[in-house]
Amino acid sequence: DADVTQTPRNRITKTGKRIMLECSQTKGHDRMYWYRQDPGLGLRLIYYSFDVKDINKGEISDGYSVSRQAQAKFSLSLESAIPNQTALYFCAAAPGVHLANTGELFFGEGSRLTVL
Amino acid sequence: GDSVTQMEGPVTLSEEAFLTINCTYTATGYPSLFWYVQYPGEGLQLLLKATKADDKGSNKGFEATYRKETTSFHLEKGSVQVSDSAVYFCALVKTSYDKVIFGPGTSLSVIP
Repeated sequence: DADVTQTPRNRITKTGKRIMLECSQTKGHDRMYWYRQDPGLGLRLIYYSFDVKDINKGEISDGYSVSRQAQAKFSLSLESAIPNQTALYFCAAAPGVHLANTGELFFGEGSRLTVL
Repeated sequence: GDSVTQMEGPVTLSEEAFLTINCTYTATGYPSLFWYVQYPGEGLQLLLKATKADDKGSNKGFEATYRKETTSFHLEKGSVQVSDSAVYFCALVKTSYDKVIFGPGTSLSVIP
């Protein structure tokens, strides 16, 4: 079983709809992240959380919101989806030690979202 | 701001060829540097890392050396295999903000 699980894996929706992408992890890590991947742009950070009560905006948070329901669960919401939010979304988890030392994010398999 | 630049792909090589994927970074201070790999249909996974200047990271036959004088962290492998076909991401982390900044990725296809 995967350590970081994302649902749904694929979703097609229409402009204006509310969408939630869910992420759960079994590694017991404190830190969780949501990234967006677009061709030629790499991965860009949307939101991150260092624990249940600590939520932070990343570089492209506009149009998105998150909820850290428990240490193991971190969901991403698009309140009113628009076509330029069509992308591959990744959730990741990391232990509560400095990333500069470990560098290791544990990624889910991705959720492909298409907004028509 | 801090950023990572990689050579544009896609890169296509024959099996057993030598691989170099260039990576340069812009950052103040002393970031840690990483290579991640994304196999088709999967999430990213850490391939190797170097946390200070002149460190060499290595894993699965891949190597990269942290060159502060040229702000580079080029990925190399002496003999690629078809199973190395993937997208490779160079990344950096600074202790001051403890977030990973990824480059755009370089797609590698290895043909038999």
